[in-house]
Amino acid sequence: SQTIHQWPATLVQPVGSPLSLECTVEGTSNPNLYWYRQAAGRGLQLLFYSVGIGQISSEVPQNLSASRPQDRQFILSSKKLLLSDSGFYLCASDRGDGYTFGSGTRLTVV
Amino acid sequence: AQSVAQPEDQVNVAEGNPLTVKCTYSVSGNPYLFWYVQYPNRGLQFLLKYITGDNLVKGSYGFEAEFNKSQTSFHLKKPSALVSDSALYFCAVRRGAAGNKLTFGGGTRVLVKP
Repeated sequence: SQTIHQWPATLVQPVGSPLSLECTVEGTSNPNLYWYRQAAGRGLQLLFYSVGIGQISSEVPQNLSASRPQDRQFILSSKKLLLSDSGFYLCASDRGDGYTFGSGTRLTVV
Repeated sequence: AQSVAQPEDQVNVAEGNPLTVKCTYSVSGNPYLFWYVQYPNRGLQFLLKYITGDNLVKGSYGFEAEFNKSQTSFHLKKPSALVSDSALYFCAVRRGAAGNKLTFGGGTRVLVKP
């Protein structure tokens, strides 16, 4: 079975600082990978997805970017954080039989 | 286009009583349906899925769901709720198999009172 590693678990960053969240996948190869943001413990907003190395699709215009430098590595970045970037960020992997989620990163921008 | 509706923001139930969380969907072609559960400050955990076959699907922690094609529904059920079932539940759908993105419902918060 596949395992999704996300770190850090929590992060407090000042407005205007850069961001890098990392997600790595074990136990599968060539998965589709996804970044979601969840606000206030409710619905999931799809931010980015990737079907392969270097292939990134953005779902909503925003202050964030994503990269996939290796098959099982997916990175979420920002050059300058905004207050509105606060939230719970989840990485998910799909190998065809449904998504497996990481444990998430709680980002607070202050 | 595909969509999922979870009409109830919150469901309250007493411990030991049956629990139902509603989900309806819209998708062209054969639906693949999923239920996930999320505990506070955690990622989503897979509960069960319907791909094909028996309309009644059994999953983790005593949960089950019934696929109803005519009503385009996939309600989650548990015969006897536990306080530990209190969590946020998400229904999801996609058309066909691998490669297609899941579309999630807005989530239903379940509160089981002792």
